[in-house]
Amino acid sequence: SQKIEQNSEALNIQEGKTATLTCNYTNYSPAYLQWYRQDPGRGPVFLLLIRENEKEKRKERLKVTFDTTLKQSLFHITASQPADSATYLCALDMGRSATGNQFYFGTGTSLTVIP
Amino acid sequence: DAGITQSPRHKVTETGTPVTLRCHQTENHRYMYWYRQDPGHGLRLIHYSYGVKDTDKGEVSDGYSVSRSKTEDFLLTLESATSSQTSVYFCAISGAGGVVGAFFGQGTRLTVV
Repeated sequence: SQKIEQNSEALNIQEGKTATLTCNYTNYSPAYLQWYRQDPGRGPVFLLLIRENEKEKRKERLKVTFDTTLKQSLFHITASQPADSATYLCALDMGRSATGNQFYFGTGTSLTVIP
Repeated sequence: DAGITQSPRHKVTETGTPVTLRCHQTENHRYMYWYRQDPGHGLRLIHYSYGVKDTDKGEVSDGYSVSRSKTEDFLLTLESATSSQTSVYFCAISGAGGVVGAFFGQGTRLTVV
């Protein structure tokens, strides 16, 4: 069966440390992998996208890696801040086809950065 | 929220009644999606649209139908609401695949009693 698993439901880290979140998938062949942030009571907000032929992507304090052999993506937040506390979702982007462009989401990891 | 509006934001309805949720976008994006979000399940794709009158089923489409008669509007209908359809529903849009991800609306909290 198809699965998208994120490493844990909740992750607590100390301010200033690097948070590492994991996304593993089975029986999918995504063209891209995306990461989103979701705050309570709000819709997810797109953060980063990485293509299947890219190994690593950076944006400010965020870094994403994508290993299509392991079927895994790692999402890093360096120098974490309390404002980074949120739920982070990974999503598999299946790429465009004649009948659409579908996204499938993991269940998310709740990150708390402790001051 | 990137020119995407869901209505209503909250609704309580009775079992067996039909319910329609509306998603309106001002971004002229081709693709539109309906997801539901439940604890322990994350976001699950209900239906999606890849153009006017072009729609297809997602992972959890049973009991739901959709229509898209204009680029800007995507309607989700619960034909006969059940308690298992109590959830938070999100609409999303996307345009240029492979460049940016999807943009989400604020969500609709639906309670079926």
